[in-house]
Amino acid sequence: EAGVAQSPRYKIIEKRQSVAFWCNPISGHATLYWYQQILGQGPKLLIQFQNNGVVDDSQLPKDRFSAERLKGVDSTLKIQPAKLEDSAVYLCASSSPPDRALAKNIQYFGAGTRLSVL
Amino acid sequence: DQQVKQNSPSLSVQEGRISILNCDYTNSMFDYFLWYKKYPAEGPTFLISISSIKDKNEDGRFTVFLNKSAKHLSLHIVPSQPGDSAVYFCAAILMNRDDKIIFGKGTRLHILP
Repeated sequence: EAGVAQSPRYKIIEKRQSVAFWCNPISGHATLYWYQQILGQGPKLLIQFQNNGVVDDSQLPKDRFSAERLKGVDSTLKIQPAKLEDSAVYLCASSSPPDRALAKNIQYFGAGTRLSVL
Repeated sequence: DQQVKQNSPSLSVQEGRISILNCDYTNSMFDYFLWYKKYPAEGPTFLISISSIKDKNEDGRFTVFLNKSAKHLSLHIVPSQPGDSAVYFCAAILMNRDDKIIFGKGTRLHILP
């Protein structure tokens, strides 16, 4: 089974520039997540999709960040314009419907995109 | 407000000995807890989980213990192996909140030869 694919792996941009990240989840996974992981911190959820609908975007800085999952499969996350504090690893994860009986919901992560804003 | 806390940024353990990673949480409504392992330049990978109605879950060398009264869980790795050197994230899920995962800051485990 192929894992979560993300590209690019690394990106270096100057502040005020724009950048986009791409994610292809595991086949059949309806739920897709974008996380931001700043150095020394745990991953922080930015946005969660269920199929092509947004479930939670409460921590997404909507003045500069946007995300879409138009066909309910792959997704893009965009930052426009970037700030220095956006330097982080952006992780995409996906999960299948949770097993409520076992109280279990496993998210599978991609390798991430490391963004450096100069 | 950090709901999941890993107070030890790093831990060094001799190969073959037991590694114990600790995690504290503040929300008694969490439904279950997970541990993820992360190698450099890779995404976190799921390691082991435990439901809030259990107090122990074991999978090979890995055992997670949950103490609900203390709002504390721990991951035991025995015996520790060189490949266990990684960052370990404790995480918690509220199932009535769209299964949102809240991660701790992580603990970097070094297995010494």
